[in-house]
Amino acid sequence: DQQVKQNSPSLSVQEGRISILNCDYTNSMFDYFLWYKKYPAEGPTFLISISSIKDKNEDGRFTVFLNKSAKHLSLHIVPSQPGDSAVYFCAASALYNTDKLIFGTGTRLQVFP
Amino acid sequence: NAGVMQNPRHLVRRRGQEARLRCSPMKGHSHVYWYRQLPEEGLKFMVYLQKENIIDESGMPKERFSAEFPKEGPSILRIQQVVRGDSAAYFCASSLPGLDIQYFGAGTRLSVL
Repeated sequence: DQQVKQNSPSLSVQEGRISILNCDYTNSMFDYFLWYKKYPAEGPTFLISISSIKDKNEDGRFTVFLNKSAKHLSLHIVPSQPGDSAVYFCAASALYNTDKLIFGTGTRLQVFP
Repeated sequence: NAGVMQNPRHLVRRRGQEARLRCSPMKGHSHVYWYRQLPEEGLKFMVYLQKENIIDESGMPKERFSAEFPKEGPSILRIQQVVRGDSAAYFCASSLPGLDIQYFGAGTRLSVL
């Protein structure tokens, strides 16, 4: 049972344009969401997070949007840069069980010149 | 300020041998988590530990796998009598109490021959 889904395994975007990565979840108890970025042979690196009391959180070029009614969140990267090429994982946790992060399967982003 | 340190980075074992994976959390972090990533999949939660206590091991296989986080020294994930299906990347993460952001190490890639 995949509680966090990233339905696009890959995304290709031209440098300078916007990258939009999507994530859907099924568990209505999830109330905290994180995005991690992962390069090959490295561990995931924390990017940005959002709690369910907000619908938007912004940090530099990265913005995360949360639509609780649709159980959907998205990560926007603008402008995209070649160094953003990596695998992006969406993760979720529930207030009652904050020890466990539930990860999606990841989206591989490629930013080309 | 050193990040989460995992060693070894690569570990090769023959079927039936034991594998020991070590993790030193970030300075000041008392919570440690272990995740496993199979090829082309997301990270799957295994176990959550605090010093000398296992808090949640709901993701650990019932047999052959154990974890500890002693009062002194790193956290250890131990896999006895390894099988080929144990081949994966094992990631450790740490966090401060009460915060949901987990910071990951670079992982240990276990190959079982």
